[in-house]
Amino acid sequence: EVQLVESGGGLVQPGGSLRLSCVASGFTFSSYWMHWVRQAPGKGLVWVSRISGDGSSTNYADSATGRFTSSRHNAMNTLYLQVDGLRVEDTAVYFCARGSSGYGNFDLWGQGTLVTVSS
Amino acid sequence: QSALTQPASVSGSPGQSITISCTGTSSDVGVYNYVSWFQQHPGKAPKLMIFEVSIRPSGVSSRFSGSKSGSTASLTISGLQAEDEADYYCTSFTTSNTWVFGGGTKVTVL
Repeated sequence: EVQLVESGGGLVQPGGSLRLSCVASGFTFSSYWMHWVRQAPGKGLVWVSRISGDGSSTNYADSATGRFTSSRHNAMNTLYLQVDGLRVEDTAVYFCARGSSGYGNFDLWGQGTLVTVSS
Repeated sequence: QSALTQPASVSGSPGQSITISCTGTSSDVGVYNYVSWFQQHPGKAPKLMIFEVSIRPSGVSSRFSGSKSGSTASLTISGLQAEDEADYYCTSFTTSNTWVFGGGTKVTVL
């Protein structure tokens, strides 16, 4: 089955860190750009980052630059998002999404993992 | 990068057609044909409905169509059905090699 499954979310204090994971199955993972998109409770979707198929190229939203790092392990079909220096406003469901082209076309999404930043 | 502008809500009766607008700038919608639309039901992941302004992925109903004029893209749902009630989001590639989403539109079927 073609799918993405995220994990790694949880409750963390402000200033803390988490590593989110997204395991892909049913397709050639290394052939696709992969993205992270987040959604705060009751709010809209916000693009966070993308990484190329070979992991050599990344881009980040301004809100993520310097605090978030996207990486991937193609042999394990896994995408990661390291999130450091977490703030209350980073509380959100984090989705991974497959980009069917270099210009987005997010055609496959995971179910999301919830990150809650609170003291 | 400011969010694309969408109406907060749109409603229609079953069988009617509705259109959701998505207004950007010369840094995103106005310069690229890389606009996508997503449907999201409560508690679910988004689903791609339209990509590259007007292309429907396999399996998406032909009742959904997309277009663009200048810096405004639009999603039209014809023959509105109860199952179409959801939140809809547009997104565009930008000149900064990033993506920007719209704020979302809640579609209500009366």
